[in-house]
This record gives sequence, structure tokens and C-alpha cells, in this order.
Amino acid sequence: AQSVTQLDSHVSVSEGTPVLLRCNYSSSYSPSLFWYVQHPNKGLQLLLKYTSAATLVKGINGFEAEFKKSETSFHLTKPSAHMSDAAEYFCVVSDRWRSQGNLIFGKGTKLSVKP
Amino acid sequence: DSGVTQTPKHLITATGQRVTLRCSPRSGDLSVYWYQQSLDQGLQFLIQYYNGEERAKGNILERFSAQQFPDLHSELNLSSLELGDSALYFCASSVGLLSNYGYTFGSGTRLTVV
Repeated sequence: AQSVTQLDSHVSVSEGTPVLLRCNYSSSYSPSLFWYVQHPNKGLQLLLKYTSAATLVKGINGFEAEFKKSETSFHLTKPSAHMSDAAEYFCVVSDRWRSQGNLIFGKGTKLSVKP
Repeated sequence: DSGVTQTPKHLITATGQRVTLRCSPRSGDLSVYWYQQSLDQGLQFLIQYYNGEERAKGNILERFSAQQFPDLHSELNLSSLELGDSALYFCASSVGLLSNYGYTFGSGTRLTVV
């Protein structure tokens, strides 16, 4: 069975400082991993995805995530936070080769950015 | 605009009523997924359709049903509504059956049951 754990429900940073949102996953198969972002009263937008190519994945808006199999982690980082990054972030796991595709979402991390 | 269209954006209805939520997938996508987002349960997968056929079921209540039509749009029917059904309902779409490339989500329908 697959699962994903987001280690922090809320992260607060100052504008211009680094962002680290932590995610650990559990999967019996070769996982695909994703980060989605949800701004207030908006839908879910794909930030980046890992699907077995390079372990360091670059996404939109300067975000990156590194797949570490030995640590079963897929943490999301950004060197310098911007006010517009304030949103909820979801780490997501999928079994890459199952024919019944559905994504398993973590409970989300709310990112606050202080001026 | 993600290309996935959900209507209506907001819906307020009374307990015991029935509502229908509609989703048009992104052009070229054959799979449609429905998710429910609530404060206590987070994002829960409800059901998947691929090219008109049901392919996967998640935590979907018996009072809820869905279908995908020949033009690939999908409808989620919620009946005998309860206060606890108040949530944001998302539709997502993808090209194929596999989930390895992620989904494109619509902006959701916010359902309030009073």
C-alpha cells in the first residue's frame, strides 16, 4: 500500500529566506512522486513531478525536490521565498505502473510567508 | 486556466436533496477522476473513469454515483445530502490510465449543505 506523510502541517518563513517542506513516502512499487500547490480558493496546480529520471527535479516558480530512495523522502525546497508562495502544498505518491491510476495525497503543509 | 472545466463553482443546497456536479476534461484526456476535499479528511479519491468505463473506486459513498459520457465529460451525482457532505469537489483528468505523469485539476465545486 502506498502512503505519504507530510511532516509539518504548517511552515512559516520570512520573505527571502529558504523554504523546506518535508515529505516521506511509502510505496511497494516504483513510485511516481509529485508536489501540488493550492492557493486560497483555487484549484490544485502541479509544481513538479518525479517519474524515475533525474533524482533532482526542477519545477515551476523556482521550486525543486530531490528523490532520495534510501530515505524514502521527497522534500520540496526553494532558495528564496516570495509572498506569492503562501499557499498549501501537497506531496503526492502514485504507483507508476498500476493500471488503475489514482494519486494518494498527503494532508498538506500550509506555507506562510512573512514580509 | 488548466483546461479542466467544472460547473457550477458554488452550490448551496438543503439536506436530503440531490445535486449533480459536471466536469469537462482537458482536450485529449480520456481519464477523469473525482476527489473530495474536506477539512477533516483532506483530499480523498472518489472514483476514476477511463473512456466511459469505471476503472477505480475509492472512498465513494453509496449515495454518490458518477458516469462518463461518450463526449468524455463526467457527472458526479450526490443524493440524500447530509451536512457532512459539504466539501470542495475536484475533477481531474489525464491522457491515459496510468497516474505516473500526474493529473490536471479543475478549480473545483464548493458544495455547502445547509
